Amino acid sequence: GENVEQHPSTLSVQEGDSAVIKCTYSDSASNYFPWYKQELGKRPQLIIDIRSNVGEKKDQRIAVTLNKTAKHFSLHITETQPEDSAVYFCAVNPMDSSYKLIFGSGTRLLVRP
Amino acid sequence: GAVVSQHPSWVICKSGTSVKIECRSLDFQATTMFWYRQFPKQSLMLMATSNEGSKATYEQGVEKDKFLINHASLTLSTLTVTSAHPEDSSFYICSARSPGGTDNQPQHFGDGTRLSIL
Repeated sequence: GENVEQHPSTLSVQEGDSAVIKCTYSDSASNYFPWYKQELGKRPQLIIDIRSNVGEKKDQRIAVTLNKTAKHFSLHITETQPEDSAVYFCAVNPMDSSYKLIFGSGTRLLVRP
Repeated sequence: GAVVSQHPSWVICKSGTSVKIECRSLDFQATTMFWYRQFPKQSLMLMATSNEGSKATYEQGVEKDKFLINHASLTLSTLTVTSAHPEDSSFYICSARSPGGTDNQPQHFGDGTRLSIL
């Protein structure tokens, strides 16, 4: 089955700096790659997603890049703010008919004021 | 739009009790919902895919007789933890897939249920 690895597990940056989180996957047929943000004790919230026919997508300070050949995709947050502090999860939809998501292990991002 | 409501948010009960958790899509119809389990500071582990009008699809290692899933309508899926024991204590969270035909659509999550078995 699909295997998703996420790095780093923790990331501490200074406010205003950029943060990059990377995920790799094993199934080359996977075609949908969302990113979720989860604050402590709250629900995961979709922040951006990308499909396999697109290499990059941007939404204000957040961007996602996808390299299908290398089977990895990355989340980029620019001009980080303290409210960006949370746990970020990548996810992958394996190429089957279930629409299920396999999640990475998560990255705890701390933005220092 | 795409609001998912989960109830209850917190349950504390004695060992041996069965507990039912509800997941509702409030403003859209969800033919497919998902149930996850999340341990402290860990990732979301998919337990099963809940399909409206048919049997749930369980992930490997998840006991279907232990975790009963029912998806009787397009807006409601339930997870029943039968004869719960302390090792079943966890954060259970559901999600519902946005409507959108056969393409992949985002999943929207409920607030989760923290289950504590004494």
